[in-house]
Amino acid sequence: ETGVTQTPRHLVMGMTNKKSLKCEQHLGHNAMYWYKQSAKKPLELMFVYSLEERVENNSVPSRFSPECPNSSHLFLHLHTLQPEDSALYLCASSQLGGETQYFGPGTRLLVL
Amino acid sequence: GNSVTQMEGPVTLSEEAFLTINCTYTATGYPSLFWYVQYPGEGLQLLLKATKADDKGSNKGFEATYRKETTSFHLEKGSVQVSDSAVYFCALSDDGNKLVFGAGTILRVKS
Repeated sequence: ETGVTQTPRHLVMGMTNKKSLKCEQHLGHNAMYWYKQSAKKPLELMFVYSLEERVENNSVPSRFSPECPNSSHLFLHLHTLQPEDSALYLCASSQLGGETQYFGPGTRLLVL
Repeated sequence: GNSVTQMEGPVTLSEEAFLTINCTYTATGYPSLFWYVQYPGEGLQLLLKATKADDKGSNKGFEATYRKETTSFHLEKGSVQVSDSAVYFCALSDDGNKLVFGAGTILRVKS
């Protein structure tokens, strides 16, 4: 595997479910990011992890809970989501101090 | 705060037409500028970047020049192909780890 991978690619969940999105980077980077991409809206930065510590949380509701167990893996735990949370969730990674971010293919989430 | 403004789409062109997608920015300091491309069903891929004034980024026939005097970073390609159909995002970074994206411009190329 190379680059940034995300699983699952597609997810349908009910509002009472609990699920997790997974991101893995094989680039030796030490910063990772979660973005939300909704229809007709700019990309929204949700969380930033730097050296496995959360350094940014852009007013994201607590029903989204990130976890970064090591520099290669990033999770987004989901619980009691709302239909308006349906979107494409993108993970990215970069080297600290480097400006170029490399994106995964995203997880297309549908909340019913 | 920092922001990026892109021309609204969709932009529809015939194959081999000339492409320009406008991008202007507002930033404190001297940001780096990027164009990312998102093909259908995929994540974002870095297309090109420029890190200082008058730099030209280029890749796959696409070019963009960092114009500090007009705070612009317009994307151009001399002859588009159907395979260039995608969403194009202009972005800036001024602190090394935070990207600010424009809203994206849909490009449709017809054969």
